[in-house]
Amino acid sequence: EVQLVESGGGFIQPGGSLRLSCAASGLIVSSNYMNWVRQAPGKGLEWVSVLYSGGSTFYADSVKGRFTISRDNSKNTLYLQMNSLRAEDTAVYYCARDKGGRAFDVWGQGTMVIVSS
Amino acid sequence: IQMTQSPSSLSASVGDRVTITCQASQDITNYLNWYQQKPGKAPKLLIYDASNLETGVPSRFSGSGSGTDFTFTISSLQPEDIATYYCQQYDNLPITFGQGTRLEIK
Repeated sequence: EVQLVESGGGFIQPGGSLRLSCAASGLIVSSNYMNWVRQAPGKGLEWVSVLYSGGSTFYADSVKGRFTISRDNSKNTLYLQMNSLRAEDTAVYYCARDKGGRAFDVWGQGTMVIVSS
Repeated sequence: IQMTQSPSSLSASVGDRVTITCQASQDITNYLNWYQQKPGKAPKLLIYDASNLETGVPSRFSGSGSGTDFTFTISSLQPEDIATYYCQQYDNLPITFGQGTRLEIK
């Protein structure tokens, strides 16, 4: 069974850092386009970042320069390093597999990040 | 690319035909997907490439359109279809979603 499991969310003060993890089973992270998508409380979906199988990375303007997407092939895990966190980064963060650069067909259950003083 | 979905909310009866539209701010050919999200759950892919039904998704769901105008249809609304629906374009980065359509049972 293909599965993504996020972890690492929590409560953090503005300006702090947090690293989210997305452990994959049934698929190889390094062979897929892997994304982070977030959803603020009561709001819609916002794409955050993508890591292509070839290693290229792209970010939404709202997180560029503060967030870094990466992967550990030995652990088959995707990461999102989040620095200089702001209140507006408060959201549920989902990792998602992008099938062939066309659609997000596998999603994790999400991990909640709350940025507040 | 901005995605404008309408309506933002919709109330319909079981058995009704339901239609949601999504308009892109520029031509995205057919690079348009539809997702269903139930409360507290991750989104689920229903339709990809504007009109292709994802494996395992009931055939009452369908999509159409190309260019800038797209339509998502539920042919006969079922109680389990209560959810929020999102369109998504992947023609260009950043990937963008519509604001969502909240579907309720009348």
